[in-house]
Amino acid sequence: AQSVAQPEDQVNVAEGNPLTVKCTYSVSGNPYLFWYVQYPNRGLQFLLKYITGDNLVKGSYGFEAEFNKSQTSFHLKKPSALVSDSALYFCAVRDVDTGFQKLVFGTGTRLLVSP
Amino acid sequence: DTGVSQDPRHKITKRGQNVTFRCDPISEHNRLYWYRQTLGQGPEFLTYFQNEAQLEKSRLLSDRFSAERPKGSFSTLEIQRTEQGDSAMYLCASSRTGGRNYEQYFGPGTRLTVT
Repeated sequence: AQSVAQPEDQVNVAEGNPLTVKCTYSVSGNPYLFWYVQYPNRGLQFLLKYITGDNLVKGSYGFEAEFNKSQTSFHLKKPSALVSDSALYFCAVRDVDTGFQKLVFGTGTRLLVSP
Repeated sequence: DTGVSQDPRHKITKRGQNVTFRCDPISEHNRLYWYRQTLGQGPEFLTYFQNEAQLEKSRLLSDRFSAERPKGSFSTLEIQRTEQGDSAMYLCASSRTGGRNYEQYFGPGTRLTVT
C-alpha cells in the first residue's frame, strides 16, 4: 500500500533563510511524487512534481524538491523563505505500477516564516 | 482556464438529511476525483472518474455515498442519511490524460458541517 510520511507538524524559519520540508514515501512500484500548498480556506495548489528524469525538480514560487530513491524521500526546499510562504504543505504519492490514479497524501507540514 | 469550481462552498445540515455537492472540472480535463479532508489530516481519496466511467472507489465510500458524472463533465457527490462523522471538507480535482500532465488541480472545496 502507498503511504507518505511528513515527520514535522511544523517548520519555523526566518525570512531570507533556506527552508526544507521533509517527505518520505512508500510504494510497491515506481512513484510519482507531488507537492501541494494549502492556504487558509482555499483548496490545494500544485507546486511541483517528480515523474522521471532529473532528481532535482523546480516548481512554482521558487520551490524545488529533490527525489532520492535510495532514501525514498522527496524533500521540498527553497533557498530564501518569504513570509508569504507561510502555509500548509502536503506531499503526495501515486504508485505508478498499480495503474491507480489516486494520490495518497501526508498529514501536512505547517510552515511559519517569521519576518 | 477558469479552474475547478465547487458548489456550495459551505453546507450545514442536520444529522439524517441528504446532501449533494457539485464539481465542475477544468473544461478540457477528462479525469475527475473526489477527496475528503478532515481537520489536521491530508486529503483522502474517495473516487475517480475518467469521462463518465467511475473507475476507482475507496473503501471510505460507504453505501451512503454516491458519485456520478453523467455526461463526462460536471460531477455530483451525494451523501444520504448524514452522520456527524461526515463533517469534513470535500475536495474535487481534475486532470488531463496523456503526455506528462499527471498533476491534479483542486477546487476550493465544500465544507460540510453535520449538526
